[in-house]
Amino acid sequence: DARVTQTPRHKVTEMGQEVTMRCQPILGHNTVFWYRQTMMQGLELLAYFRNRAPLDDSGMPKDRFSAEMPDATLATLKIQPSEPRDSAVYFCASGLGTATQETQYFGPGTRLLVL
Amino acid sequence: GDSVTQMEGPVTLSEEAFLTINCTYTATGYPSLFWYVQYPGEGLQLLLKATKADDKGSNKGFEATYRKETTSFHLEKGSVQVSDSAVYFCALSGDILTGGGNKLTFGTGTQLKVEL
Repeated sequence: DARVTQTPRHKVTEMGQEVTMRCQPILGHNTVFWYRQTMMQGLELLAYFRNRAPLDDSGMPKDRFSAEMPDATLATLKIQPSEPRDSAVYFCASGLGTATQETQYFGPGTRLLVL
Repeated sequence: GDSVTQMEGPVTLSEEAFLTINCTYTATGYPSLFWYVQYPGEGLQLLLKATKADDKGSNKGFEATYRKETTSFHLEKGSVQVSDSAVYFCALSGDILTGGGNKLTFGTGTQLKVEL
């Protein structure tokens, strides 16, 4: 049963520290999405990649957030420096991008708490 | 831009009751529509989808029909179980011809609680 995996599952850190979250998409999927979920804002799309190239990162605060895909099996989301308002659950999702709308498969999320 | 509106929760039902969760959308062209479910502490799972008008998506006893005339995609189940307790998200993926085919736009989610 193929699944998206995310590490770590939980992270507690102090304000100002760097946070790196990792995602392994389903093997063969070529599109990766990063979402943030909070009670106040709901689910927000931060960025997404197709064939490892960033297609849209307009939802991401550029000054402190960065997203990369070093290779087809790994996507990373980095926050530097972290702030308390970054506390949220961060989800990665992957899909098999074609010319039509695609189904996205979500990982279990990284629950981040910035003190 | 695209948007999805869901009914406010929580919705509390007794086991075996009928469920409806309303969802309406605003989008240009012909989006695809989805229902995702999130169980406590987990990520979102695709429940069902419909890609064109009048299509009915169904899975695990849940159904939703893509109604373009009313821009709706209401989720229904004839007899809910305690195990259906979760948060349900309606979402749309924009029309690829208008450049929106890759992104999902989510509603705010509706929490369902099913009691014995």
